[in-house]
Amino acid sequence: GESVGLHLPTLSVQEGDNSIINCAYSNSASDYFIWYKQESGKGPQFIIDIRSNMDKRQGQRVTVLLNKTVKHLSLQIAATQPGDSAVYFCAESLYNFNKFYFGSGTKLNVKP
Amino acid sequence: DTEVTQTPKHLVMGMTNKKSLKCEQHMGHRAMYWYKQKAKKPPELMFVYSYEKLSINESVPSRFSPECPNSSLLNLHLHALQPEDSALYLCASSQGIEVGGSEAFFGQGTRLTVV
Repeated sequence: GESVGLHLPTLSVQEGDNSIINCAYSNSASDYFIWYKQESGKGPQFIIDIRSNMDKRQGQRVTVLLNKTVKHLSLQIAATQPGDSAVYFCAESLYNFNKFYFGSGTKLNVKP
Repeated sequence: DTEVTQTPKHLVMGMTNKKSLKCEQHMGHRAMYWYKQKAKKPPELMFVYSYEKLSINESVPSRFSPECPNSSLLNLHLHALQPEDSALYLCASSQGIEVGGSEAFFGQGTRLTVV
């Protein structure tokens, strides 16, 4: 389940299950969105991106959904594996500006 | 080569020291970034360079001084830091606004401790 508090929100899932990580973005003018994965002691790693003219984009085992009406982004990971355990951040930007702002992040914990 | 290389990986410095963080990319990217990340927090944007010119300074204190010597290199000069400046400093690069909507590639970061 999910927990929110003084620590990063944590999502715990069983290996093999599907995971859904949510993100609320702040700027209604943002038109480009990225999901990053950050493992302990490492820099953020690009997973998938989506532009505002799309509602859905699929990659390998990952799908990003964008709901501009409520400024909501989600990342779906199919058949979650222990190697998916990390902190996941969404980032928003304006298409013609080099500024990426990060959401607060969710820690994904995959139980074997 | 899709790497952004940061040196050093770890740095401990006193409050009176002067040190520099270095970042290098060879992807031909024209935008480069410095981010600061505290534990259990998202990366916070500090500076953006576009075509080797400082385009964004997110009201960062002057004890942090960025420099972009050429299109592949980005430095962050540190002077008279405070213990609360201890954090992971991340460098990133992206293709630039002409391409539009291109993701930023991140380095592994420099773990800075101010004592």
